[in-house]
Amino acid sequence: AQKVTQTQTSISVVEKTTVTMDCVYETRDSSYFLFWYKQTASGEIVFLIRQDSYKKENATVGHYSLNFQKPKSSIGLIITATQIEDSAVYFCAMREGNNNNAPRFGAGTKLSVKP
Amino acid sequence: EAGVTQSPRYAVLQEGQAVSFWCDPISGHDTLYWYQQPRDQGPQLLVYFRDEAVIDNSQLPSDRFSAVRPKGTNSTLKIQSAKQGDTATYLCASSFLGRQDTQYFGPGTRLLVL
Repeated sequence: AQKVTQTQTSISVVEKTTVTMDCVYETRDSSYFLFWYKQTASGEIVFLIRQDSYKKENATVGHYSLNFQKPKSSIGLIITATQIEDSAVYFCAMREGNNNNAPRFGAGTKLSVKP
Repeated sequence: EAGVTQSPRYAVLQEGQAVSFWCDPISGHDTLYWYQQPRDQGPQLLVYFRDEAVIDNSQLPSDRFSAVRPKGTNSTLKIQSAKQGDTATYLCASSFLGRQDTQYFGPGTRLLVL
């Protein structure tokens, strides 16, 4: 069974710095997909970035990048040059490769970016 | 492109009352998900559909919850007899299998059961 764990409940950083949020996952599948989503204070959930298990190169989108360490079953989210607007709850999710599996989410990490 | 829409946005019930949530996914998306998100937790899958077929409803409390997607487009999630433990936000998401399953979420329905 698939499982996603985010151990950091909350993180506080000063704006313009870099932050890393951790996520570890469990799966028996050799093929799987990893996602990060952001939930704003209004409750809106927005897709940020994904990593496919078969890709060795870490995904990057804008100021978001991933640190994919397959042997450790780890997929960290890195946000560079943080902005106040990055304050939100960040969720890691995983979907196993079978097309009949739905993504499962971690508990989330609350990021506060302060001036 | 219109996003995922949900209604109502808020609902307040007494225990034992029934409530229905409605979701309109993004046009062309074949997969529709219902998640329950308790306060300060991540979304937890209740049920999901591909077109009109239920793919996984193993986490749906079947004695009180039901979900349908009769024409493979809109969907309704119903709670027959609400309990205080059902207090949560109910999220609908949709995706297109051919686009490798990036999910798009609706704004959610916040349910409070008194």
